[in-house]
Formats: sequence, C-alpha cells, structure tokens
Amino acid sequence: QQQVKQSPQSLIVQKGGISIINCAYENTAFDYFPWYQQFPGKGPALLIAIRPDVSEKKEGRFTISFNKSAKQFSLHIMDSQPGDSATYFCAASNRGGGADGLTFGKGTHLIIQP
Amino acid sequence: DAGVIQSPRHEVTEMGQEVTLRCKPISGHNSLFWYRQTMMRGLELLIYFNNNVPIDDSGMPEDRFSAKMPNASFSTLKIQPSEPRDSAVYFCASSLEGSAFFGQGTRLTVV
Repeated sequence: QQQVKQSPQSLIVQKGGISIINCAYENTAFDYFPWYQQFPGKGPALLIAIRPDVSEKKEGRFTISFNKSAKQFSLHIMDSQPGDSATYFCAASNRGGGADGLTFGKGTHLIIQP
Repeated sequence: DAGVIQSPRHEVTEMGQEVTLRCKPISGHNSLFWYRQTMMRGLELLIYFNNNVPIDDSGMPEDRFSAKMPNASFSTLKIQPSEPRDSAVYFCASSLEGSAFFGQGTRLTVV
C-alpha cells in the first residue's frame, strides 16, 4: 500500500515559471510533511517542511501548501531556475516529526529549461 | 560538520559475494537509518537504530541482509550472499529528533 502518492513523475518548466508538485496521503495520523531535494549522485536533502496546524509555509522561492481536509500537500517553486533541476520527494511522518516514521513519495524529476 | 559519511561510494561485486556498506552518522545524532533507492521502488527504509539499538528492521528484504551499530559513530549494512536484484543505491541517514540527514549513498552493482 502506497501511503504517499506523488505526481507528476516528471515535470519540465521554463526558467522563471512556477513548478508545482503534488502529494496525497492516506494515513490521517501523519503530522509532519517534509520535502526533500536530490541532485544526481547525492543523497536527498531536506528542503522545507510543514505541520498540519498551518495551511502554508514559505521559505524563499519554495512554498508548501497544505490541505488537511483533502489530505493533500504541494510544493511550489516560484521563479524556477535551472539550478532547481533535481528530483523532489515528498514525505510524511506520524512520529511527531521524527525521521523514523518517514514514508516517501516516488519522486518527481524536475527539469527547468533555460 | 562533515555530514553523514558513507563508504564506499561505488561497489561492484559478483553474485554470491559478501558486501559490507559503512556509515558514520553526524556526531550527536541518536537515530540512524538505512535506505535503499531504486527506480522501481523509490526510497525504502530498511532498518533504523535509536541509541545504537535496532528498533525496526521490518524493511530488511531477506535474511541475507543484516545491519549492526556497534557504537554511536559507526554502522554497517551487510549483504551475504549478494544477488543482482540487490543492485541499488543504499543511503544512510541520521537524525536527532527531527528530519533525516542523508549521506551521499553507496551505489551497489551486483553482476
């Protein structure tokens, strides 16, 4: 059973555009939702995270939007740059933010065209 | 901080051989995780330790896989005997009451 469904699998966006990646979850006990960014040959790195008590969190050009009733959350990358080209993973945890409960989505391969 | 350090970065081995992957977590972190990443299955949690004690190994695929954490600064993941379907990138990650910090991974190829 896939507990976190991520879409799209791949995404191509023009430089300066908005990249949007979506995730849906099933387990209502999840209470922590991080996004990870992975470059080729590197391990995933924490990008931004949100808890369900807020509907949006913004850090620079990266924003998480969270819809608790729909059990969905999304990552928005504003003014997308070629350096943002990477694979992005959403994740969810029900261990109060502890990494031991993290369930990952399958990933989105993002390409920003110059 | 040097981050999570894994070795080797790449490993090519023949089917049936024993493979040992190594990990040094971030100093002070009390949880350590082993993940496997493949195109088909994505990121899978194999096992995690808390304060050097294995807490959940339900993700370990078979008895051929074993992991140890003899002290707070070192862990190993061993596959014996290795099989071609074990080919993947294996990540070690560590955390301290928060999100995981990943190493750069070991790309394992079993031929």
